Amino acid sequence: DIQLTQSPSFLSASVGDRVTITCRASQGIGSYLAWYQQKAGKAPKLLIYAASTLQSGVPSRFSGSGSGTEFTLTISSLQPEDFATYYCQQLSSNPPWMFGLGTKVEIK
Amino acid sequence: QVHLVESGGGVVQPGGSLRLSCVVSGFRFNNYAMHWVRQAPGKGLEWVAFIKYDGSNQYYADSVKGRFTISRDDSKNTLYLQMNSLRSEDTAVYYCARERTGYYPEYWGQGTLVTVSS
Repeated sequence: DIQLTQSPSFLSASVGDRVTITCRASQGIGSYLAWYQQKAGKAPKLLIYAASTLQSGVPSRFSGSGSGTEFTLTISSLQPEDFATYYCQQLSSNPPWMFGLGTKVEIK
Repeated sequence: QVHLVESGGGVVQPGGSLRLSCVVSGFRFNNYAMHWVRQAPGKGLEWVAFIKYDGSNQYYADSVKGRFTISRDDSKNTLYLQMNSLRSEDTAVYYCARERTGYYPEYWGQGTLVTVSS
């Protein structure tokens, strides 16, 4: 099974900061990677799919990049509503389609 | 407007069974593949099961294979998860999710809580 290593697991940042989260796959997955945002008590929200395609309605300050085994989610200017936990998920070839362990973004 | 509503969660003893339902609206159900994803209390997301738009293929996480069955009834716009031989580690909020192109879970329900405890 393909494993995902997400880092950091926790980060503290200020409004306006540029934030980068990394997701590394244990083997190449092409561009079959998604990013989700989850706020406490809520269902996850799809932000990015196919590694770099912004889901409709998601603010342009979110961007994704990478292919193969290394991927990044970048928030160009952190806003108050962006404090949440972020997960990557790989959907390459056949399941299981694992999630990363998550990155909690908190206010500094 | 796309809407997914899970139900069927509750408290069940270890070794017991439960069937979750996910009723959908706002889109043509038989055109889309569906997922179940769960989240144990205070933990991360775990992908559980997937069924193709026509029910032709089902896939499962290793942790539930042989115990859980995903199915769909297109006439009722409903997705199911039959859960047997439940264990304490199956305690979680269970979400159903509709795919977008490429199987990515796009629309999610609000979740239903399953607690396995004696």
